Amino acid sequence: GESVGLHLPTLSVQEGDNSIINCAYSNSASDYFIWYKQESGKGPQFIIDIRSNMDKRQGQRVTVLLNKTVKHLSLQIAATQPGDSAVYFCAAYSGGYQKVTFGTGTKLQVIP
Amino acid sequence: EPEVTQTPSHQVTQMGQEVILRCVPISNHLYFYWYRQILGQKVEFLVSFYNNEISEKSEIFDDQFSVERPDGSNFTLKIRSTKLEDSAMYFCASSEEGAGETQYFGPGTRLLVL
Repeated sequence: GESVGLHLPTLSVQEGDNSIINCAYSNSASDYFIWYKQESGKGPQFIIDIRSNMDKRQGQRVTVLLNKTVKHLSLQIAATQPGDSAVYFCAAYSGGYQKVTFGTGTKLQVIP
Repeated sequence: EPEVTQTPSHQVTQMGQEVILRCVPISNHLYFYWYRQILGQKVEFLVSFYNNEISEKSEIFDDQFSVERPDGSNFTLKIRSTKLEDSAMYFCASSEEGAGETQYFGPGTRLLVL
């Protein structure tokens, strides 16, 4: 089965610094990945996705890097802001895409 | 911006009672999903639904669970006889397409079974 995990449960960064959140997955057949942000009391919110035919994808202040060799992906947030404080989940799609398997989440705390 | 809505936001029920959680997906979306998140744990997939039938379901989605799209806008999750371990946040999501398309999540219903 799919196993998606995060290396660090909590990450504290100073406002304005860059944040890097890491994620490992176990199923080599996974070919679509998403980073979600979940604020307290709310549902997961899509941030950025990447397909397995790519190594890097950039959005607004966010970059996702995918290393299929070691089954690892990371989320980089540039110039972290207090509004970025949330739990971040990586997720992997496999077996038809309709099912997403989430990791346990990393809590990002931005220090003003 | 269109969004997925869920009602109620909170539901408290007695063990053994039936509950129905309601969702209104984004109007032009065709694929619908239910997930749950037990407090402090990761989000877990329950079921996906397309064209008025279940596409995939997880091991969690046993005979006590059912889903329905009773009309053109609502998507419901029914738990027939709730157990204490059903206490969780239940998220509905929808997507325009199925394969590889972004799923948009609702705010969730917090279910507490006593």
